[in-house]
Amino acid sequence: SQQGEEDPQALSIQEGENATMNCSYKTSINNLQWYRQNSGRGLVHLILIRSNEREKHSGRLRVTLDTSKKSSSLLITASRAADTASYFCATNGNQGAQKLVFGQGTRLTINP
Amino acid sequence: EPEVTQTPSHQVTQMGQEVILRCVPISNHLYFYWYRQILGQKVEFLVSFYNNEISEKSEIFDDQFSVERPDGSNFTLKIRSTKLEDSAMYFCASTQDPNSPLHFGNGTRLTVT
Repeated sequence: SQQGEEDPQALSIQEGENATMNCSYKTSINNLQWYRQNSGRGLVHLILIRSNEREKHSGRLRVTLDTSKKSSSLLITASRAADTASYFCATNGNQGAQKLVFGQGTRLTINP
Repeated sequence: EPEVTQTPSHQVTQMGQEVILRCVPISNHLYFYWYRQILGQKVEFLVSFYNNEISEKSEIFDDQFSVERPDGSNFTLKIRSTKLEDSAMYFCASTQDPNSPLHFGNGTRLTVT
């Protein structure tokens, strides 16, 4: 399985602090993606990092990828209450698979 | 910005009944997907669809499930005889390219009683 598995499962921090979520996966990938899900809503794409990339930034988001360890991290800097959501990593395999495989997700709570 | 739309937002049905969940993907997208999420759990892949046929399906997607693209805009998921364990959020997604991000709808909450 190429499932992504995030940790921690839940994270609660104060507004303004940085939040780091980690993801591990099992097989070779074409790319790894992070999505956000507000409660009861659909998933929204945040950032995609390709297997030949090591780091990517988008606004307050920073994603790293270590293919030797089959792991990725998502850092949200200067967190805001509106960042409260669940965050999922998803892997896109390199064997011609046309699907994303999602991890369990991290439930992030930002306390004002 | 174009978006994926799903109807209905909530469907309640009795065990054994057939349900059809509807999705309108983004118009120039070519790859379509159904995922489901049981409350509080992970998002699980059900099926992918390209060029008017299923390209991949999971073990969840058994004979009770089917998908169809009846016209140029709709993409439907049918569950023939619902079970209690089919209760979940069902998400439709689409993309132009399987290596690109997916665009998700807001889901249909299916409750089987």
